[in-house]
Amino acid sequence: NAGVMQNPRHLVRRRGQEARLRCSPMKGHSHVYWYRQLPEEGLKFMVYLQKENIIDESGMPKERFSAEFPKEGPSILRIQQVVRGDSAAYFCASSPQTGAGTQYFGPGTRLLVL
Amino acid sequence: QQQVKQSPQSLIVQKGGISIINCAYENTAFDYFPWYQQFPGKGPALLIAIRPDVSEKKEGRFTISFNKSAKQFSLHIMDSQPGDSATYFCAASKGSSNTGKLIFGQGTTLQVKP
Repeated sequence: NAGVMQNPRHLVRRRGQEARLRCSPMKGHSHVYWYRQLPEEGLKFMVYLQKENIIDESGMPKERFSAEFPKEGPSILRIQQVVRGDSAAYFCASSPQTGAGTQYFGPGTRLLVL
Repeated sequence: QQQVKQSPQSLIVQKGGISIINCAYENTAFDYFPWYQQFPGKGPALLIAIRPDVSEKKEGRFTISFNKSAKQFSLHIMDSQPGDSATYFCAASKGSSNTGKLIFGQGTTLQVKP
């Protein structure tokens, strides 16, 4: 059973460009979480999605960030007009159930904004 | 009230020694407390987790001690090995919520010297 997959693993963008991060949850998991890890800091919750629904986006910046989890295909975290402060590791986690269940993390996407 | 405070920030232990990492939380609604281990360049991996109906949980060399009245929990790594050198994160979530989002501590970088 493959784990959570994220791609790309590394992404370099110039200021003002768009970044698209993809996450494929573990087989049978329909709950996806996105977290951001700034250098030397812990992980911060961004958004929680189920298929075709955003359930909790309380950790998402109000502008430039969006997320989706379509019926078919991976979950996408999209960052428009990136700025240097967006440079971070972005982790996706999946879970087979909602509530306080085990979340399995992917290897992350390291975004560098030049 | 949503914070989880973790200490120490870094820890150096000799091989065979006991590593102890502490976390404190404020929100009494939290009812799920996992610990994650993260190696450089990798995603966090679940190590062990506890719910507040027990005061201690042990899995191999890893033990969580939980003090509900003090709102504190700790990770003990017995017989620490160089391969345990990693960053450890405590976390908390509310099972009663419909999201299960994890609130992470700031992380502890553990170095086990041979």
